[in-house]
Amino acid sequence: GQQLNQSPQSMFIQEGEDVSMNCTSSSIFNTWLWYKQDPGEGPVLLIALYKAGELTSNGRLTAQFGITRKDSFLNISASIPSDVGIYFCAGQYKSSGAQKLVFGQGTRLTINP
Amino acid sequence: DAGITQSPRHKVTETGTPVTLRCHQTENHRYMYWYRQDPGHGLRLIHYSYGVKDTDKGEVSDGYSVSRSKTEDFLLTLESATSSQTSVYFCAISAGLAGGFNEQFFGPGTRLTVL
Repeated sequence: GQQLNQSPQSMFIQEGEDVSMNCTSSSIFNTWLWYKQDPGEGPVLLIALYKAGELTSNGRLTAQFGITRKDSFLNISASIPSDVGIYFCAGQYKSSGAQKLVFGQGTRLTINP
Repeated sequence: DAGITQSPRHKVTETGTPVTLRCHQTENHRYMYWYRQDPGHGLRLIHYSYGVKDTDKGEVSDGYSVSRSKTEDFLLTLESATSSQTSVYFCAISAGLAGGFNEQFFGPGTRLTVL
């Protein structure tokens, strides 16, 4: 089946540092998504990317949709303690009439104050 | 926040017993999904529903069945639980409107342990 490879699997950084994570796929997706999951909760959408080459920002977050539509990256600038959590990339595709998601393995972000 | 609740939030059961997890939504969304989350795998789709009594299999459907008798409720059943089904289960909903992006909103999850 389809699979997304997300890296790194974990990051340990100091507060104030910038963070970068990426996701690659063997399949083409028309929409790339980045989610964040806080402990004990479900994932929440951070950024959605719809066009190849698109660069989108949401506050301190910046994400890009790769030109080949097979990759994406997420950057977080000037990290703060509330950025701690697990970040997932996801590719959206349509199958049997339904929009479905395939997720990366996640990047667990830990921040030392 | 999207109105999604899952019950129970935590469950411990024994191998071979049946287990049913419930997802309830107050958004009147057409699509509902069940995922499982395991370390190193992210979230994987088990089953989904595109309307009342309309369901289909996802990526990891073996050992699971679902039912949707009302728009607001989507049930996931493990007929005979196995230790490999120990996981965190998430329900998601989506409006499923024609054309354009339809965000999936996730519930808080159910942690299931099969001993």
